[in-house]
Amino acid sequence: SYELTQPPSVSVSPGQTARITCSGDALPKQYAYWYQQKPGQAPVLVIYKDSERPSGIPERFSGSSSGTTVTLTISGVQAEDEADYYCQSADSSGNWVFGGGTKLTVL
Amino acid sequence: EVQLVQSGAEVKKPGESLKISCKGSGYSFTSYWIGWVRQMPGKGLEWMGIIYPGDSDTRYSPSFQGQVTISADKSISTAYLQWSSLKASDTAMYYCARWDSSGCGAFDIWGQGTMVTVSS
Repeated sequence: SYELTQPPSVSVSPGQTARITCSGDALPKQYAYWYQQKPGQAPVLVIYKDSERPSGIPERFSGSSSGTTVTLTISGVQAEDEADYYCQSADSSGNWVFGGGTKLTVL
Repeated sequence: EVQLVQSGAEVKKPGESLKISCKGSGYSFTSYWIGWVRQMPGKGLEWMGIIYPGDSDTRYSPSFQGQVTISADKSISTAYLQWSSLKASDTAMYYCARWDSSGCGAFDIWGQGTMVTVSS
């Protein structure tokens, strides 16, 4: 079955830039989406269609795509950005798949 | 306000049946797909399936096909996820989410989640 691979954890200091990657063979042909999930809360969409930001999401969140890897970048990380981040995309049959998630720790 | 409100937490025994709900409001419920996502304790998100309430077109993840049933009642703007015989391994948080297929292409609105605990 299709898999999206994320690093289990990323740590950054406040004000630094965090980059979270997501790799999958179908990513050159399928859009990727990113969700933020804080403890005890439902996920929140932070990036759609690889690099678009929903209204209400801070400008420090951005997305990019290159080949089989998409990247969520958080510039000027703040303490409130500490959360789990999940990428999502579709396989060749149109089934949705989530990455395993990345825990972002703000040191 | 666009929102999805899910039914409350459930505690069930193995072998029992269960149906949880997800009620949409603030938008045209029949015009958007509703998806279900499982999150087992301390684990990641897993897509289970989606339904289009307008015509009840339903698609399942291969991992959940035959394990659960997704349905909807458009007259009351509510989607459902049900089990006929629960197992301890069904213990998880279940989220419903609106799929904006013609817009952003993502699950843009999420319910608050329903915690299901299956224990003897």
